[in-house]
Amino acid sequence: AQKVTQAQTEISVVEKEDVTLDCVYETRDTTYYLFWYKQPPSGELVFLIRRNSFDEQNEISGRYSWNFQKSTSSFNFTITASQVVDSAVYFCALSGGTSYGKLTFGQGTILTVHP
Amino acid sequence: DAGVIQSPRHEVTEMGQEVTLRCKPISGHDYLFWYRQTMMRGLELLIYFNNNVPIDDSGMPEDRFSAKMPNASFSTLKIQPSEPRDSAVYFCASSSGLAGSAYEQYFGPGTRLTVT
Repeated sequence: AQKVTQAQTEISVVEKEDVTLDCVYETRDTTYYLFWYKQPPSGELVFLIRRNSFDEQNEISGRYSWNFQKSTSSFNFTITASQVVDSAVYFCALSGGTSYGKLTFGQGTILTVHP
Repeated sequence: DAGVIQSPRHEVTEMGQEVTLRCKPISGHDYLFWYRQTMMRGLELLIYFNNNVPIDDSGMPEDRFSAKMPNASFSTLKIQPSEPRDSAVYFCASSSGLAGSAYEQYFGPGTRLTVT
């Protein structure tokens, strides 16, 4: 069975602070994909990144960066110099094995960035 | 390009009534997913289709729920009869199985269902 754990239920920071959202996953598959999605107050789910299990290179996109470590089964997400517009619920998700396309989501982390 | 389209955006109905949610996936996508989001259970996959064929419906809560995909551009999720515990936001998502874009799902805006 697959499982995604986002231990941080809520995080509150002040604008310009850096913040890291943790994601730990469990899977028996050797090939799998990891994702992060953002759900702003408006409610839609916005795709942020996909990473496959064979690519452990960290990725940076503007103020966003992701750290994938297979040794610890973690796929953490860092926002540098946070902004009020980053306030949202962030979900980590996993798919793999014989159920490609079937996403297992974590419970989400509510990020609030205060001005 | 249009994203995933869902209708209605909001639905309020009385217990016992039939509810039909609709989804139009992104053109060219061959996977379609239905999710339900509640505070208690988070995001749950209900069912997904590949090339209009249901692949996994293990997340469908009970026989009151049914989903169809009669063609590549349309899917419905039906609840009959509806119950207050079905109140949730229902998302439809689609993705392409083509290499390079596989598995990232694009979500519709959701339908907020309230059953009184």
